Amino acid sequence: AQSVAQPEDQVNVAEGNPLTVKCTYSVSGNPYLFWYVQYPNRGLQFLLKYITGDNLVKGSYGFEAEFNKSQTSFHLKKPSALVSDSALYFCAVRGRSGNTGKLIFGQGTTLQVKP
Amino acid sequence: GAGVSQTPSNKVTEKGKYVELRCDPISGHTALYWYRQSLGQGPEFLIYFQGTGAADDSGLPNDRFFAVRPEGSVSTLKIQRTERGDSAVYLCASSRGVGEAYEQYFGPGTRLTVT
Repeated sequence: AQSVAQPEDQVNVAEGNPLTVKCTYSVSGNPYLFWYVQYPNRGLQFLLKYITGDNLVKGSYGFEAEFNKSQTSFHLKKPSALVSDSALYFCAVRGRSGNTGKLIFGQGTTLQVKP
Repeated sequence: GAGVSQTPSNKVTEKGKYVELRCDPISGHTALYWYRQSLGQGPEFLIYFQGTGAADDSGLPNDRFFAVRPEGSVSTLKIQRTERGDSAVYLCASSRGVGEAYEQYFGPGTRLTVT
C-alpha cells in the first residue's frame, strides 16, 4: 500500500535559521512527489514538486526539497526561515502507473518560526 | 484568475439528513478531485473526475457518498443519511490534466458538521 510519513508533528526554528521538514514515502516504482502548505483558514497551496531529473527541486517562497531515492525521502528545506513561514506543511505522493491523479498525503507537520 | 471555489463554506446538518457540496474548478481544468480532511490529519482522497466521468472512486468510504460532474466543470458531492463520523472539511481540487504530474489547486473547503 502507498503511504507517506511525516515523522514530526511540529518543527520549531528561530527566524533566520535553516529549516527542514521531513518526509518519507512508501510507493511502488518512482513516484511524483509534492509539498503543499496550509495557512489558517486558507486552502492548501502548492509549493513544489519532483517529477524527474535533478534531485534538488526549487519552489515557491524560497523553499526547496531534496529527493533521495535510496532513503525514499523528500525533505523540505529553506536556508533562512521567516516568521511568515509558520504554517502546516503536507508532503504528498502520486504513483506514476495507472490513470489517476490521486494524491496520498502525510499527516502534516506544523512549522513554528519564532522571531 | 479565479481559483477553485466551494460552496457552502460551512454546513451544519442533523444526523440522517442529505447534503450536497458544490465545487467550481478553475476554468479549463479537466481533472477534478475530492478529498476529505479530518482534524489533525492530511487530506484523504475520495474521488477523481477526468471530464464528466469518475476515473477513480476508490476513496469513497461507502455507498452513502456519491459525486457527479455532468458537464465536465462543476461537481457536486452528495452524502446521504449523514452520520456524525462524516464531519470533516471536504476539499475540492482541480488540475489541467493528469499527465506530467500537473499540480492540483485546492479550494478553501466546506466544513461539514453533523450533529
